[in-house]
Amino acid sequence: NAGVTQTPKFRVLKTGQSMTLLCAQDMNHEYMYWYRQDPGMGLRLIHYSVGEGTTAKGEVPDGYNVSRLKKQNFLLGLESAAPSQTSVYFCASTRERAWTGEQYFGPGTRLTVT
Amino acid sequence: DAKTTQPPSMDCAEGRAANLPCNHSTISGNEYVYWYRQIHSQGPQYIIHGLKNNETNEMASLIITEDRKSSTLILPHATLRDTAVYYCIVRHRDDKIIFGKGTRLHILP
Repeated sequence: NAGVTQTPKFRVLKTGQSMTLLCAQDMNHEYMYWYRQDPGMGLRLIHYSVGEGTTAKGEVPDGYNVSRLKKQNFLLGLESAAPSQTSVYFCASTRERAWTGEQYFGPGTRLTVT
Repeated sequence: DAKTTQPPSMDCAEGRAANLPCNHSTISGNEYVYWYRQIHSQGPQYIIHGLKNNETNEMASLIITEDRKSSTLILPHATLRDTAVYYCIVRHRDDKIIFGKGTRLHILP
């Protein structure tokens, strides 16, 4: 098993550009999550999904959109990137309701918006 | 919603037990306590979780007080590779998991 993978690992965007971050998991997990982590801070939940075709907002959803068209993939989109979105983005997944099971995290995507 | 309070940083000598405290005084009866850690620049790693009873696995032990208002994560024989930020997390009733700032643990050689 590859576990949770994220694409790309690094990206530099200019203000106003758009991009999509891809998260893939091969563990047949139901729940998937997107977090961002700013320097010196803990992780903040952006959006999450409790199953294929469903998404929900987390703590800091503004400026992001997500889609879960396939169970194994969770996409995070930035329609018009802003410097405030410079961060490290982590994806995670869990087999079941997360509070009874561990979350598996990907290696992260380091995004810089200039 | 339950919130957690952790010291911002701690030091521990290599080979000694590292005891990381966490306060969660407003925890509800059906909420779990989770511990994760994040080694520099990597994704967080699950360590252990518990509800009421003390738990132990190959990585650590989790001690939860009888009133469930606080807990302690114990790394029995800390090594330099245990240097990381440790997060204590309590499940929210609306299904969101919130990471705080955690405790930065320095293992000293």
